[in-house]
Amino acid sequence: GAVVSQHPSWVICKSGTSVKIECRSLDFQATTMFWYRQFPKQSLMLMATSNEGSKATYEQGVEKDKFLINHASLTLSTLTVTSAHPEDSSFYICSARRRQSNQPQHFGDGTRLSIL
Amino acid sequence: ILNVEQSPQSLHVQEGDSTNFTCSFPSSNFYALHWYRWETAKSPEALFVMTLNGDEKKKGRISATLNTKEGYSYLYIKGSQPEDSATYLCASRRMDSSYKLIFGSGTRLLVRP
Repeated sequence: GAVVSQHPSWVICKSGTSVKIECRSLDFQATTMFWYRQFPKQSLMLMATSNEGSKATYEQGVEKDKFLINHASLTLSTLTVTSAHPEDSSFYICSARRRQSNQPQHFGDGTRLSIL
Repeated sequence: ILNVEQSPQSLHVQEGDSTNFTCSFPSSNFYALHWYRWETAKSPEALFVMTLNGDEKKKGRISATLNTKEGYSYLYIKGSQPEDSATYLCASRRMDSSYKLIFGSGTRLLVRP
């Protein structure tokens, strides 16, 4: 149980394109989903916390107009990188948590984004 | 300590060796410490969630201990196997953090056959 699907696995696109990444919890309801970014040889950095039916909470330094998050249902959150530029190239990964307080987060496989 | 720090950064051991790594985290307002195992091309897999000082958890050959007063956790692998090769991540959750986790950079373990 506790499977999270993230799609796509990798994207290569031109500068200026907007890219949407989906994160789905397949066998449980996720009250909260998280979006992380990882630069090479660094830790997972939390970008934003996404709660179903409400606005996402962004971490300091993360532009909410650049990284649009939608959490329309208890099983789906999307991250859209708007007008992507080469500096947005990175590894993006989502996670989801169940309602119970001390459950671990369950992760997707991640998305490798390369902007040319 | 304000950040979550893991050591060593990487570790190469021979099959059959036992090994351990360290995670240091802020001890103030501590709520929980998570350990994950992340194999290449897969998603991070939850190993343990630990909350109480002195907690010790075990899953097969892998075990972990927790000291919340001094802010550290050890992960032990007994009799390492090549399939244990992965990056081991720890993450701290604080009481005031709304379920947010702060991750360390991980320890990359390579077990040679």
